[in-house]
Amino acid sequence: EVQLVESGGGLVQVGGSRRLSCAASAFTFSSYWMSWVRQAPGKGLEWVANINQDGSEKYYVDPVKGRFTISRDNAKKSLYLQMSSLRVEDTAVYYCASHSHSNYFDYWGQGTLVIVSS
Amino acid sequence: LPVLTQPPSASALLGASIKLTCTLSSEHSTYTVEWYQQRPGRSPQYIMTVKSDGTHIKGDGIPDRFLGSSSGADRYLTFSNLQSDDEAEYHCGESHTIDGQVGWVFGGGTKLTVL
Repeated sequence: EVQLVESGGGLVQVGGSRRLSCAASAFTFSSYWMSWVRQAPGKGLEWVANINQDGSEKYYVDPVKGRFTISRDNAKKSLYLQMSSLRVEDTAVYYCASHSHSNYFDYWGQGTLVIVSS
Repeated sequence: LPVLTQPPSASALLGASIKLTCTLSSEHSTYTVEWYQQRPGRSPQYIMTVKSDGTHIKGDGIPDRFLGSSSGADRYLTFSNLQSDDEAEYHCGESHTIDGQVGWVFGGGTKLTVL
């Protein structure tokens, strides 16, 4: 069974940094685009960033450009999100998700909660 | 960028039918959307892809009573014979490449209550 397990969430001060990780198993991790998608409390989903199979292509939603960096380590079957200059509005559950070959999000982790406090 | 609009809530009786709507911004009315189900406290789960011509492709294990359709800028997810297990938040989303930039946009989600 495919599993994506996020970690690294927690409470962080405004302006601080946090690194999220997502560990994949039972899954040919290196063959798939991967994304981070977040969900603020009581709100809808917001795609944050994605990365192609070898890490040569990365895209970000405008509010996080220049502050967040997505990366991956295929040998470790892991996806990362380095977040810096955090703002209150970055408070959310962060999910990692894989892209099917038809480009929808087919597998999701359980999410990790990041709370940015002033 | 595309904008996807969903009503915040919907409700129907157990065993009834209901159609959820996701409306694309007019200049993006031909876009394909995906539907995701998110049960309370759980991660989203892919349901199906709905194209502008109304064809839909369902994910593995999605029941036959879930159908997709389309009209103009609207993309629909229709449930027949509603079950209590269908009570969840439903999100529509789309992917795009604009000026070489890849991105995804989601609607605000519709909370479906089964009465």
